[in-house]
Amino acid sequence: AQKITQTQPGMFVQEKEAVTLDCTYDTSDPSYGLFWYKQPSSGEMIFLIYQGSYDQQNATEGRYSLNFQKARKSANLVISASQLGDSAMYFCAMRETARQLTFGSGTQLTVLP
Amino acid sequence: SQTIHQWPATLVQPVGSPLSLECTVEGTSNPNLYWYRQAAGRGLQLLFYSVGIGQISSEVPQNLSASRPQDRQFILSSKKLLLSDSGFYLCAWNRATNEKLFFGSGTQLSVL
Repeated sequence: AQKITQTQPGMFVQEKEAVTLDCTYDTSDPSYGLFWYKQPSSGEMIFLIYQGSYDQQNATEGRYSLNFQKARKSANLVISASQLGDSAMYFCAMRETARQLTFGSGTQLTVLP
Repeated sequence: SQTIHQWPATLVQPVGSPLSLECTVEGTSNPNLYWYRQAAGRGLQLLFYSVGIGQISSEVPQNLSASRPQDRQFILSSKKLLLSDSGFYLCAWNRATNEKLFFGSGTQLSVL
């Protein structure tokens, strides 16, 4: 079974608008962490935001916020006020206790001018 | 500050040839080190990780091997490359297993 599922292979958003990238996960571990990474065309993976399973509030980092719905096992990334430079591949990832990071298949985001 | 160096950026190798990709981390000691592979248009698959010199854990059986001859050096190798070894290889590190990963710039390997 997939540990991390990203159901949107590609997304388009108009510049300056907000966009939500979906991520659902599967774990029975009560302690886990959720990550979002951005991969521009250069290939490097850039860390964006982290949410711990026991965190009471949704994580935010500048224009990035994580919509964490624990009961639904979803950790969607919200990017506000999209910029052209946000065009990239976005990966959701999860770390369970004593396990290494598991990545989803990614969502290709294209910001339109 | 910490930096991670990975080279070469691109590599084209014939089937059956050997492989050596190198990754080094600067500005920290005793990092956890990782090798990931990314097939075209897909997510990352963890190949190897290391928590110390000479300590290598393999996540998936394959044609590749890894070594950590020095604290901040991680090498990905193969004696004979296969077509299926083509992909984008990323080295990464973190200070502790539950911390975020910092990635290198990657190596695009094409096996022909």
